[in-house]
Amino acid sequence: QVQLVQSGAEVKKPGASVKVSCKASGYTFTSYYMHWVRQAPGQGLEWMGIINPSGGSTSYAQKFQGRVTMTRDTSTSTVYMELSSLRSEDTAVYYCARDAGDGSGKGYYYMDVWGKGTTVTVSS
Amino acid sequence: EIVLTQSPGTLSLSPGERATLSCRASQSVSSSYLAWYQQKPGQAPRLLIYGASSRATGIPDRFSGSGSGTDFTLTISRLEPEDFAVYYCQQYGSFTFGPGTKVDIK
Repeated sequence: QVQLVQSGAEVKKPGASVKVSCKASGYTFTSYYMHWVRQAPGQGLEWMGIINPSGGSTSYAQKFQGRVTMTRDTSTSTVYMELSSLRSEDTAVYYCARDAGDGSGKGYYYMDVWGKGTTVTVSS
Repeated sequence: EIVLTQSPGTLSLSPGERATLSCRASQSVSSSYLAWYQQKPGQAPRLLIYGASSRATGIPDRFSGSGSGTDFTLTISRLEPEDFAVYYCQQYGSFTFGPGTKVDIK
């Protein structure tokens, strides 16, 4: 079955960086885009960006431009999201979510499978 | 950027009742690029509806979506105990999410 397994919780100090991983299984990794979405405590969902695992191209939400980097490793079917210059407002659960797509590399831009989330806490 | 507004913020209902959730866009949503997700406490969101009215795989038929242009609705025909959750709409042309509607037990 399709599964996204995320890395464990992180605690970081302000100004540091965090790198969260998301390992995909149960489908052809390079055939579906991957999104990253975050959720601050008690708040709603916030889209951060998308990566095409096939070629590695990315598109980021304007809010995170310059601070976020999404990469992938096709040999391990893993995508990564790195967020730099962390501040307390970045404390959130970070989710990877597979784009629904058509299975041939075309994105549909809604999310049909989600990881369980990775809690990132930024605190001095 | 399209801004989504959801109403009401909280909907208090009893099991068996009908729930009607609204999602309004600041501009017309092309090709009904509107999805609905359900999120329970401590869990990741789950896709319910895409294309404004198509149910995702495995979603019970008590969930239905409708609407076009700027006004969309998620209807739960008869609330089951497991349906009490927060519901988000998403305009997937610009990836934006609405602020959510919490459906809680009256």
